[in-house]
Amino acid sequence: DIQMTQSPSSLSASVGDTVTITCRASQRLSSFLHWYQQKPGKAPQLLIYAASSLQSGVPSRFSGSGSGTDFTLTISNLQPEDFATYYCQQSYSPPHSFGGGTKVEIK
Amino acid sequence: QVQLQESGPGLVKPSQTLSLTCTVSGDSISSDTYYWTWIRQPAGKGLEWIGRVYSGGNTNYNPSLKSRVTISIDTSTNQFSLRLTSVTAADTAVYYCARFVRVTTALDFWGLGTLVTVSS
Repeated sequence: DIQMTQSPSSLSASVGDTVTITCRASQRLSSFLHWYQQKPGKAPQLLIYAASSLQSGVPSRFSGSGSGTDFTLTISNLQPEDFATYYCQQSYSPPHSFGGGTKVEIK
Repeated sequence: QVQLQESGPGLVKPSQTLSLTCTVSGDSISSDTYYWTWIRQPAGKGLEWIGRVYSGGNTNYNPSLKSRVTISIDTSTNQFSLRLTSVTAADTAVYYCARFVRVTTALDFWGLGTLVTVSS
């Protein structure tokens, strides 16, 4: 199975900041890496697919990059509605494992 | 707009079988564009991929659950289902169904989730 490691597990930031979340895979994924946002009590929502493609309806302040084993989610100009938990997920091979999550909190 | 809705018992006794159904509306579950997936999340913890089913009935399961899990599809009712046998307290979680798009290989629509508690 492919192991996904996210860092940091949590971070504190202010509105307007730029934050970066990292996801590392235990083997190469090509671009089969996706990012989701989850708010308390809600289902996750797809933000970025295929490492860098913005899902329809997602604000352009969200961006993704990377390939192989190392990937990054960047949120520019952090907004109040962005405080949530973010997960990466690989779809290179089943089981399509998730990272442990990164909780973005208000400083 | 596609919608997914999980349904099933919210309480299951230890050693019994957990059974959930996901009803898909706004799209055909028979489409060869998608796989249909189950994911779970224990309270306060991360997401765990359980498995998926294709319209033709092909499945993939998480090896950690493989001996206990069955995912099936019913194209006549536009539903797919999860069965998890011999449950323990460790299976207590919110269970989500979701649509996996073959082109992007991502989960683009999710159900709201349903809490299943394993307790006597």
